[in-house]
Formats: sequence, C-alpha cells, structure tokens
Amino acid sequence: KAGVTQTPRYLIKTRGQQVTLSCSPISGHRSVSWYQQTPGQGLQFLFEYFSETQRNKGNFPGRFSGRQFSNSRSEMNVSTLELGDSALYLCASSLAGTSGRLSTGELFFGEGSRLTVL
Amino acid sequence: AQKITQTQPGMFVQEKEAVTLDCTYDTSDPSYGLFWYKQPSSGEMIFLIYQGSYDQQNATEGRYSLNFQKARKSANLVISASQLGDSAMYFCAMSTDRGSTLGRLYFGRGTQLTVWP
Repeated sequence: KAGVTQTPRYLIKTRGQQVTLSCSPISGHRSVSWYQQTPGQGLQFLFEYFSETQRNKGNFPGRFSGRQFSNSRSEMNVSTLELGDSALYLCASSLAGTSGRLSTGELFFGEGSRLTVL
Repeated sequence: AQKITQTQPGMFVQEKEAVTLDCTYDTSDPSYGLFWYKQPSSGEMIFLIYQGSYDQQNATEGRYSLNFQKARKSANLVISASQLGDSAMYFCAMSTDRGSTLGRLYFGRGTQLTVWP
C-alpha cells in the first residue's frame, strides 16, 4: 500500500515568486492536513481538508492557501514568497471520517517538500 | 490553549540500553490523544505510538511504550533495547476533541536522540 506522496521533494525559489506543492494521500484517506516545519518555529499546522472542504486553518497569512480535489489529492500554494517561507512542508493523511476527531494515531505523513527561498 | 513541552533538546544512549524521552502537555479538553513520532534525517514523520486520554493502560508497540501519567500531564516515551537506527528526532504531539478538527496536531519542539555503539 503506497504511502503519502509529496511532490516536488526539493525546490528553490526566489522572493516574490509563488509555489505549488502537491500531496497524494494514502488510498482511501479523505482527510489531508499540512504542516510547516522550520528550525525556529518547529512544526506548525497550516490547514486541513476533508472531502474538498477546508475544515480548519492555522495562524498563517493569506499568502498560504490550499485546496483538495475530488480524489482527495491536495495542493497548497504560497504566493509572494518571503525568505521566512523556507521550510519543510509536510502533508499528512488520515482515514478519519465525518464523526470527527483523530482517534488512534492513523495520521500518516509524507517525506515533505523542502522549499528554499533565496 | 494546547501546549506540548519537550525539555530535552538532545539525548544520548548506548546501543541495547533503554532510554526515556520526556513530554508534558497542557490542555483543558477532557478528551485528547497523545502521539509520538520519529523523524529521521529524510524528513518523513513516522508514527510510533498513541495514547488516548481515557485509555486505562499504557500503550505499547514493540520496543516502544508510553508512560502516561494523567495527573502529572506527562506522556513519556520509553524505548527499550535501543538500536543504532533509532537515532533521529522524536516529537511528542497532541490532538484534542475540537469538533471538526480531524487532523490537527500540536507538536513539541522535539528531542534529538543519538544512539552510540
């Protein structure tokens, strides 16, 4: 069974550009969440999608956006890149259903997309 | 507010010895879950173990066990018989019962574990 796949794994951008990152969840998983990991701030929640709807959003500026498609694949976009956006962006998928919260640890992460902004 | 604290930036252990990684948490939610993840240098977060706030027994998964002390709000990870491949960053995380939030975890800052021969 394939795991969570994130593309691209590495990318370099310059300030002011925009970037789109992709995440393919584990087959059958309908929930996808995104995290930003930096040495200074650690792991921070970006947003979460379930059945194409954004269910929750972390404390990030509007330059950070995302979406989920009908096949549960998700993309996140960062516009007008800043140096501080350099980070590892992790995607996680879950089988969690409409009943609500994560229960037994079935949140699986991809290997991340490492973004460097110059 | 939800908060996870890992006070050990780095830990060292000799191969085949046991090691305990500390984690304390803070939440006002009566229902929550506690997780430990391992992150090797490749970047992927690998799920290790889960403990629910209402679980009566401490969780165990192979060489990993979670020492859950609810009154102290601690959820320490115990790794028995350490292996060289256990060298990685370890994160403690928490999810809370917040309605529609399905996959939101609050993470600690992590503990870098180094296993030496």
